[in-house]
Order: sequence, then C-alpha cells, then structure tokens
Amino acid sequence: EDQVTQSPEALRLQEGESSSLNCSYTVSGLRGLFWYRQDPGKGPEFLFTLYSAGEEKEKERLKATLTKKESFLHITAPKPEDSATYLCAVQELETSGSRLTFGEGTQLTVNP
Amino acid sequence: DAGITQSPRHKVTETGTPVTLRCHQTENHRYMYWYRQDPGHGLRLIHYSYGVKDTDKGEVSDGYSVSRSKTEDFLLTLESATSSQTSVYFCAISDFHKGYTFGSGTRLTVV
Repeated sequence: EDQVTQSPEALRLQEGESSSLNCSYTVSGLRGLFWYRQDPGKGPEFLFTLYSAGEEKEKERLKATLTKKESFLHITAPKPEDSATYLCAVQELETSGSRLTFGEGTQLTVNP
Repeated sequence: DAGITQSPRHKVTETGTPVTLRCHQTENHRYMYWYRQDPGHGLRLIHYSYGVKDTDKGEVSDGYSVSRSKTEDFLLTLESATSSQTSVYFCAISDFHKGYTFGSGTRLTVV
C-alpha cells in the first residue's frame, strides 16, 4: 500500500527565513510525485511534478527535489503570500485509474 | 486548464436526508474522482470513475454512491447523511502532467 508522510505538520517562518518541507513516500514503483499548494477555502493548485531521483524543478522562491525515498520543497526567502498548506502526492506506475495518494500536508505560515 | 466546477459550494443538511453533490467538467477527461478532506486525515479517495457508467470504490466509500451518466458529470450521493460525513468534498480530473486538476470544493455540514 502506498504511503506518503509529510513533515512538519505546521511550520512558522519569518519573512526571508528559508526552510524545507519534507515528503517521504513508500511505493513499489513511482510514476510521479506531485506538489500542490492549497489556500484556505480553495482546491489544491499544481506546483511541480517530479519523475525520477535527482530531478529538480524551480518556480520563483520554490524548488522541489526528489530522491528514491523522499522529496523536499525548499522555500528560499519566503514572503507572507507563500503562506498556505503544501500537499505532496504520489502516483504509482501500476495504479488503477491513475489515482494519487496524498500526504496530510504542511501548513506554512510566513510572518512579516 | 480544464474547467471543473462543483455545486453547491456550501450546503447544510439534516441527519438522515439524501444529498447529491455535482462535479462538471468542460473537457473530455476520462478519469474523475471524489475526495473528502478532513483535519488529521488529509485527502481521502471516496470513489472514482474511468468512464461513463464505469466507477470504482476508494478507501472511504461506505455511505457514498456515485453515478456518471455523461462524460462531463460525476455525481456523489450521500443516501442518508450522517454527522461523520461533515467535510469538504473535492472533485478532481486526471491530468497526465499535473496529476490532478481540482474543483473549488463543497463544504458540507450535516446537523
């Protein structure tokens, strides 16, 4: 059974204070790992897809990396508008119906 | 992005009443999903569909049924709502590169 664990559950940062969020996963064969951002009262919005160990993707202050067992979402010099819940999800190679398995998320708060 | 809309956005209902939530997509995506999101549990799959009249159960399907009579519409029904079904419900469609595209959610309160 696929498992996805995110840590920490919640993270408070000061504006400009860089940090990383972790997503560890157990899957028999990984097709893709996905990062999403979710604002209160809204559906998750896509950030990144990573397919293989060693891959990195960047967008503004965010960089996602992938190893064989975990992924990190690095946030460099965050701003208050980066406050949100960040979700990661995995898709197994042989999954029925292209289903994703989600972690519980990390709630990030960036104080000005 | 594919258009995906959920209705209603908010609903309050009484215990024991039937409730139907609707998900509508404007493009021809084959796979559609219903998730519920609760604190401490994250997103959990209720049911999914891989085509018209083709559906399957997810990890938390008890008390829920679904129907898909047209490609664009995926309905989630709570036959007899219970307080444990108070949650935020998200519909999603499969996207090859993005995993899923989500709707805006339906906040359901069962009193």
